[in-house]
Amino acid sequence: ETGVTQTPRHLVMGMTNKKSLKCEQHLGHNAMYWYKQSAKKPLELMFVYNFKEQTENNSVPSRFSPECPNSSHLFLHLHTLQPEDSALYLCASSGPLGANVLTFGAGSRLTVL
Amino acid sequence: DQQVKQNSPSLSVQEGRISILNCDYTNSMFDYFLWYKKYPAEGPTFLISISSIKDKNEDGRFTVFLNKSAKHLSLHIVPSQPGDSAVYFCAASATTGNQFYFGTGTSLTVIP
Repeated sequence: ETGVTQTPRHLVMGMTNKKSLKCEQHLGHNAMYWYKQSAKKPLELMFVYNFKEQTENNSVPSRFSPECPNSSHLFLHLHTLQPEDSALYLCASSGPLGANVLTFGAGSRLTVL
Repeated sequence: DQQVKQNSPSLSVQEGRISILNCDYTNSMFDYFLWYKKYPAEGPTFLISISSIKDKNEDGRFTVFLNKSAKHLSLHIVPSQPGDSAVYFCAASATTGNQFYFGTGTSLTVIP
């Protein structure tokens, strides 16, 4: 149990589907993140929320839409994705600014057909 | 442009020997560095960190060395064990912010 739970673990969707990834953290952290991991690439930061306010959006296409209703929950809404969006999507959380440690969830493996 | 680089995609080491994983960074604002370990089908787990005020941090079999002038850090695992076989990611951040930058990872195989 990592303290950060992601669902679903695996998702297959067509390019016209709408789906959502969910992340929940039980660590009392106030910052939550979405990262994308593609093969042979570094983890790419997508979004950062601090106290449920979005503080970073790394030029992510609008077909990815984050939602952070509170400091414990984070969603990534997906619509009209492309096959190249297939990747492992990792959620993470951390404490306040400073010398922090990111705690990751197990990830959601997304395949876009 | 990649700010954190791990130039060795893979490394094989005999059990009991030392594993040395390397990482380079370009941004002089980075002052906090971390190593993560990742097994297949799991998220990365935190292994060890180092602040820029230190040049070495040790935790059991794991030691991280930081050379600020060279913008280089390394992770030493000694003695290496088969259970250490995983992908290791280096990450860096500036403590004034909450962005973490990751390398591409090095896949370590420890041969029994």
